Amino acid sequence: EAGVVQSPRYKIIEKKQPVAFWCNPISGHNTLYWYRQNLGQGPELLIRYENEEAVDDSQLPKDRFSAERLKGVDSTLKIQPAELGDSAVYLCASSTNGAGARELFFGEGSRLTVL
Amino acid sequence: QKEVEQDPGPLSVPEGAIVSLNCTYSNSAFQYFMWYRQYSRKGPELLMYTYSSGNKEDGRFTAQVDKSSKYISLFIRDSQPSDSATYLCAMSSATGNQFYFGTGTSLTVIP
Repeated sequence: EAGVVQSPRYKIIEKKQPVAFWCNPISGHNTLYWYRQNLGQGPELLIRYENEEAVDDSQLPKDRFSAERLKGVDSTLKIQPAELGDSAVYLCASSTNGAGARELFFGEGSRLTVL
Repeated sequence: QKEVEQDPGPLSVPEGAIVSLNCTYSNSAFQYFMWYRQYSRKGPELLMYTYSSGNKEDGRFTAQVDKSSKYISLFIRDSQPSDSATYLCAMSSATGNQFYFGTGTSLTVIP
C-alpha cells in the first residue's frame, strides 16, 4: 500500500512568489497534518484536519498561509507571498483518528527554498 | 520553556557502541511517548512508542519513560552504521491527537 505522497519534493522560488504543496494521505486515514521542519529542528504543527474540518490551525500564519482538504482526502498547503523565512521542509502526515496512541505516517516532505 | 527539550548532538559513536538518547518535558499531561527516526531527506518514521511509565524493548532498541522525572530515553545496543539518522522524541496527551516533538539528535555510527 502506498504511503503518504507529497509533491513537489523540491521547490525553489523567489520571495513574494506563491507556492503550493500537495499531499495525498494513506487511504482510510481521516486525520491529516501539515508540519514545518526548519533545519536542525523538530516538526512544528501548522494545521490538523479531522476529515475535511480544520480542528487545529492555531499555528498557521493566516496572513500568508492557507490550506484546504476538499472531500476529506487530499490536501493543499499554499503560501502567498513567500518570505525568506519560509524556507523549510513542509511535511504532511496522516493517522487514524481513534482514541489513544496514534502513529503518524509522514511523507518525504516538500523542501522549499525562498531566494 | 519549550514543552520538549532534546540535546541536538551531534553524536558520533563507533560501530557496536551503546547509544543513549534523551528528552525531558514539562507537561504532566503527556501519556504517550514516541521515538521517530529520520534519515536524511526523508520523513520521520515511528521507531517505538511507550504508554505512561516503564520500559519497552524491541530488538536492539529500548525505550524508557520516567514520568516522575519527566525524562525519557532511547537506548540502542550494538549500534550499526544503518542507525545513522536523526532521532526525534515526541509526546502526546491521552487524547493522542496533538504531538510535541523534540529538536532531534543527529547520530552517526562509524564503521
